[in-house]
Amino acid sequence: NAGVTQTPKFRVLKTGQSMTLLCAQDMNHEYMYWYRQDPGMGLRLIHYSVGEGTTAKGEVPDGYNVSRLKKQNFLLGLESAAPSQTSVYFCASSRLRLAVDYEQYFGPGTRLTVT
Amino acid sequence: GENVEQHPSTLSVQEGDSAVIKCTYSDSASNYFPWYKQELGKGPQLIIDIRSNVGEKKDQRIAVTLNKTAKHFSLHITETQPEDSAVYFCAASIGGFQKLVFGTGTRLLVSP
Repeated sequence: NAGVTQTPKFRVLKTGQSMTLLCAQDMNHEYMYWYRQDPGMGLRLIHYSVGEGTTAKGEVPDGYNVSRLKKQNFLLGLESAAPSQTSVYFCASSRLRLAVDYEQYFGPGTRLTVT
Repeated sequence: GENVEQHPSTLSVQEGDSAVIKCTYSDSASNYFPWYKQELGKGPQLIIDIRSNVGEKKDQRIAVTLNKTAKHFSLHITETQPEDSAVYFCAASIGGFQKLVFGTGTRLLVSP
C-alpha cells in the first residue's frame, strides 16, 4: 500500500501560470481533501469530496478548482497562480463515517512557490 | 466560522519531562478531536484521538483529555524523548461531519 501520494513534490510557477496537483490514494477511501499549510496558520481546507463525481468548497476555496473523476484521484487546479498561493499543499483521504473512523491519512505534500 | 485555538506555539522541554498542549474549540456540535504529529518534510500523522462521549484516553506515553463543557482538550506527553520533537496539531470535527478544523500547531523541541 502506497497510501496517499502527491505529484509533484515541488513546483515553481510564475504569476498567471496554471498547474494541476494530483493526489492518488489506494485505500478505497470515499472522502478526499485538499489543504494548504502556511506558517503560523495550521492546515486550512481548500476543497473536499465525499465521493466520485462530487466536490465541495472548504474554508479557502478562492482561486482553486478541483475534480474527482475517479474514486482514487483528486485533482487540485490553479488556473492563474498568484504569489498568495505560495504554500505547501496536502492531500488527505478518509473512510466513510459508517465505521465511525474519522482518521484522515495525509500525503507527503507539494511545495509550491509562485514568483 | 468555527475555529480552534492552540497554545503554546512553541514548547521546549528536557528529555524525560512532560509536555502539555492545549486547544479550545468553538463549535458545540464538534464530536471528534484528533491530534496529529508532523515531522519535518512529511505530512501530518494521527497519534491519538478522542470522541465526545469520552473524557480521557491514553496510549502509552500519550494521553488526551476532553472537557466538553469548557470546550477544551489537551495533549499530554510523558517521559518525552528527542524523537517526540515535531509539530503537533489539534483538530475538531465541524458540524458532526467528516471535516476537520485545525489549530495553528505547536512546535515541540525535546533536548537531550
